[in-house]
Amino acid sequence: AQSVAQPEDQVNVAEGNPLTVKCTYSVSGNPYLFWYVQYPNRGLQFLLKYITGDNLVKGSYGFEAEFNKSQTSFHLKKPSALVSDSALYFCAVRAYILTGGGNKLTFGTGTQLKVEL
Amino acid sequence: DTEVTQTPKHLVMGMTNKKSLKCEQHMGHRAMYWYKQKAKKPPELMFVYSYEKLSINESVPSRFSPECPNSSLLNLHLHALQPEDSALYLCASSQDFTPLRSSYEQYFGPGTRLTVT
Repeated sequence: AQSVAQPEDQVNVAEGNPLTVKCTYSVSGNPYLFWYVQYPNRGLQFLLKYITGDNLVKGSYGFEAEFNKSQTSFHLKKPSALVSDSALYFCAVRAYILTGGGNKLTFGTGTQLKVEL
Repeated sequence: DTEVTQTPKHLVMGMTNKKSLKCEQHMGHRAMYWYKQKAKKPPELMFVYSYEKLSINESVPSRFSPECPNSSLLNLHLHALQPEDSALYLCASSQDFTPLRSSYEQYFGPGTRLTVT
């Protein structure tokens, strides 16, 4: 079974400082990994994905993620945090549904990011 | 355009009511999904449709009945719900299996906030 883990329930960062939100994965085969962000009372917004290729993936709003196969990690990063980045962040791994089609996302438990002035 | 729309935004219903949630996308995606999300928790997959056929039912109670009338629309019919069914219901869509492409990310709608009284 495929899974992702987000070890931190909450991360606090000062505005202007770099931020890291951690994610580790457990999959058989090649991982298809994603980061999503959710603002209060909103749906999830896709930030970035790792399918194959460069280990550093760039995404929306200045976010990037580093894929590390040896450490089975896919940490989300941003060089300089903004107060508006405060939100709930989910890491996810994708599996194709062989029997009927479609893609199943398995989400981590989520990390609440709080960026303070 | 990466927009998934959902109606209504909010719904309050009694335990004997029948109501429907609607979802629409015009991205040409052939896989569509229903999720249930409780506050501060990751989304829980309920149903997956692939090419308008039900691919996955994650052991969801029969008081939830999905329908996919065409490739752009997804409905969730609700009947005799319980107070514990109160949650944010999210619809999402994605490409289905595309061996030469890697666009497997799911795009989420803003959700319907359901309250069962």
